[in-house]
Amino acid sequence: EPEVTQTPSHQVTQMGQEVILRCVPISNHLYFYWYRQILGQKVEFLVSFYNNEISEKSEIFDDQFSVERPDGSNFTLKIRSTKLEDSAMYFCASSPYPGGDGYTFGSGTRLTVV
Amino acid sequence: DQQVKQNSPSLSVQEGRISILNCDYTNSMFDYFLWYKKYPAEGPTFLISISSIKDKNEDGRFTVFLNKSAKHLSLHIVPSQPGDSAVYFCAAATSGTYKYIFGTGTRLKVLA
Repeated sequence: EPEVTQTPSHQVTQMGQEVILRCVPISNHLYFYWYRQILGQKVEFLVSFYNNEISEKSEIFDDQFSVERPDGSNFTLKIRSTKLEDSAMYFCASSPYPGGDGYTFGSGTRLTVV
Repeated sequence: DQQVKQNSPSLSVQEGRISILNCDYTNSMFDYFLWYKKYPAEGPTFLISISSIKDKNEDGRFTVFLNKSAKHLSLHIVPSQPGDSAVYFCAAATSGTYKYIFGTGTRLKVLA
């Protein structure tokens, strides 16, 4: 069954450093998403991406965050200057159409900011 | 701003019995609801969904009920199996947007 692949599975970074989280969505999917889950809290929407641009973003997704699809297969989330409160599980997802049942999530990257 | 709430953080059920997981929402613009299951170290996995034009959707052992007037939905699993032990998230969406709003999850433990 097709999968969304995320790397690395765990990333530890120093506060203030830039970090890039990587995702390989399912190949025929057109819509891409990032969500995060702070430990013990709910899964929160960060951003959706379609046709090489952001289609929707949440208030969490401020200027510190950016997304990119640098080639035909990868979808990345960059955090420019990490803060302690950015520590969370970050999930990438993709879908062939917006929303609906078609979301497939990756297994996540645990980001720890120290 | 908790638009989607799951008030029971955990639930234990005996194998073979029914598991009922509940979810409440506040935003009347939501018109699509989903349940996701999550195992440790994995991403959420889609389980079942329901559109606001229906009040029930069934898929094998899983049934989701929607009560729009009460802004409440529930997931019934019957019979429950030990492999169902996981965290269950309900999520809501509004047509025309791309995002899901998730609840905080309910950890289900099915006892053998």
